[in-house]
Amino acid sequence: ELKVEQNPLFLSMQEGKNYTIYCNYSTTSDRLYWYRQDPGKSLESLFVLLSNGAVKQEGRLMASLDTKARLSTLHITAAVHDLSATYFCAVDINYGGSQGNLIFGKGTKLSVKP
Amino acid sequence: KAGVTQTPRYLIKTRGQQVTLSCSPISGHRSVSWYQQTPGQGLQFLFEYFSETQRNKGNFPGRFSGRQFSNSRSEMNVSTLELGDSALYLCASSFDPGVETQYFGPGTRLLVL
Repeated sequence: ELKVEQNPLFLSMQEGKNYTIYCNYSTTSDRLYWYRQDPGKSLESLFVLLSNGAVKQEGRLMASLDTKARLSTLHITAAVHDLSATYFCAVDINYGGSQGNLIFGKGTKLSVKP
Repeated sequence: KAGVTQTPRYLIKTRGQQVTLSCSPISGHRSVSWYQQTPGQGLQFLFEYFSETQRNKGNFPGRFSGRQFSNSRSEMNVSTLELGDSALYLCASSFDPGVETQYFGPGTRLLVL
């Protein structure tokens, strides 16, 4: 059974600081997704990582994928309050033939304080 | 272009009733997936439809069912509602879930009393 583990689950940061969220998964997959969810809202796509070594950056967020280690990271640079949200990683369970079945981590609730 | 739409947005039902939720994907998207989100279990995959065929189903009882129409719109049905079915139900669409992200709708918040 595919398991996706995120850590930390809760993260309180000061503005201007850097931090990394980790996402480990238990079986082979070469497709990993990061989503953001604001309270009471739906999921917003941040990154799609489709190959080993993939790195994507958008603003203060950078995501990477190491399929050999089964690890993805979401790095936050110089955090600002607007980044406060819950961040989910998700892995596609159908390796080699996606069928839109994502297994999600439990999410990391990020709070950025001034 | 318009995003994924879901109706209704909020719903209150009582135990034993049934409910039908609707999802209209982004124009041109043929894949529709459904997820349940609860505080305890997090986000869980329900099922995925592609060109009117259910390709995959999550670990949910048979009370949860769905279908997809020729215009790619999808519905999911929950029969004999239980208190534990209270959740946010999210629909996501994609042109090709293998190479791009799924785009999520706003969700339907279901409360079972």
